[in-house]
Amino acid sequence: AQSVTQLDSQVPVFEEAPVELRCNYSSSVSVYLFWYVQYPNQGLQLLLKYLSGSTLVKGINGFEAEFNKSQTSFHLRKPSVHISDTAEYFCAVSDLNFGNEKLTFGTGTRLTIIP
Amino acid sequence: NAGVTQTPKFQVLKTGQSMTLQCAQDMNHEYMSWYRQDPGMGLRLIHYSVGAGITDQGEVPNGYNVSRSTTEDFPLRLLSAAPSQTSVYFCASRSTGTGELFFGEGSRLTVL
Repeated sequence: AQSVTQLDSQVPVFEEAPVELRCNYSSSVSVYLFWYVQYPNQGLQLLLKYLSGSTLVKGINGFEAEFNKSQTSFHLRKPSVHISDTAEYFCAVSDLNFGNEKLTFGTGTRLTIIP
Repeated sequence: NAGVTQTPKFQVLKTGQSMTLQCAQDMNHEYMSWYRQDPGMGLRLIHYSVGAGITDQGEVPNGYNVSRSTTEDFPLRLLSAAPSQTSVYFCASRSTGTGELFFGEGSRLTVL
């Protein structure tokens, strides 16, 4: 069985400061990894994904994430945040053996940008 | 640009009442799913479908029923609502090629 741990439930950051949202996963087989963002009162939308290839993946709105297989991590980073980045961020993992049918989400990290 | 459409957006039920949350997608995705979102628990998979006529249980299926008669529609039924089913429900469909899930805007359900 696969699982996802987001270590921080809330992260406050000053505007224009860098941010890192942490995500660790466990799985006995190879995985696909995703970050989704949820703005207030909206559904989730894909921020970025790792399927294969380069371990550094770039997404929308200036976010990037690095897949680290040895540490089973997929941390999300942005060098300079804006007020508009205030949202909840979810890391998700899909076990390749199951062909993506069961995408497992972490419990989310609420990012608050302080002006 | 409809994507995934959920109705209703808000609903209040009394314990024991039944209702159906509707979900429709216009992207011709074979895979559709229902999640519930609760504070501090992330999203949990209720049921999913890999094509018309095929459904399967997710992590928290008890108290919910689904069917998939067409590619476009995937309704979620609550047969006898309980307060524990108070939650925000999301329908999502998936692109086969990229694995990306496309979500609806959610349905907030309160069971009194």
